Amino acid sequence: EPEVTQTPSHQVTQMGQEVILRCVPISNHLYFYWYRQILGQKVEFLVSFYNNEISEKSEIFDDQFSVERPDGSNFTLKIRSTKLEDSAMYFCATTHRSSYEQYFGPGTRLTVT
Amino acid sequence: DQQVKQNSPSLSVQEGRISILNCDYTNSMFDYFLWYKKYPAEGPTFLISISSIKDKNEDGRFTVFLNKSAKHLSLHIVPSQPGDSAVYFCAARNAGGTSYGKLTFGQGTILTVHP
Repeated sequence: EPEVTQTPSHQVTQMGQEVILRCVPISNHLYFYWYRQILGQKVEFLVSFYNNEISEKSEIFDDQFSVERPDGSNFTLKIRSTKLEDSAMYFCATTHRSSYEQYFGPGTRLTVT
Repeated sequence: DQQVKQNSPSLSVQEGRISILNCDYTNSMFDYFLWYKKYPAEGPTFLISISSIKDKNEDGRFTVFLNKSAKHLSLHIVPSQPGDSAVYFCAARNAGGTSYGKLTFGQGTILTVHP
């Protein structure tokens, strides 16, 4: 069964550093999403991406965040200058079209020290 | 912003019995509701969904019920198995305006099924 993959599984970085989280969506999926879950809190929507542009973003997704699909397969989330409060699990999700169920990757645990 | 709420943080059930997980929502623009199951250190796994125009959807041991007037949905697992022990998230999709399928999640309920 096709699945969403994410790398790395765990990333430790120092405050102020840039990180790039990578996702490989299911091959025929067209809609891509990033969510995050801070320890002990809800899964929160960050951004949706369709047709090579951002469709919707949350208040969390400020100028420090960006997404792109650099090579037509990977879908990346970049945090330009990480803060302590960016420490969380980051999940990529994809769907064939916006009305269908979203399928999540295993997540990247980001730890900012 | 508590648009989707799961008021029970945990539920403990005996193997073979029914597990009922509850979820309430406040946003009338939600058009699709989903249940996800999550094990530690893994991503949420899709379980079952229901459109807002239906009141019941069944898939094997899993049934989701939707009561639109009460803005309430529930997930029934019958019979419960120890392998069902996980965190269960209710999520809702917003159909309105510029939304492109963004999901709003509840806080999750930890289900423990005892052998």
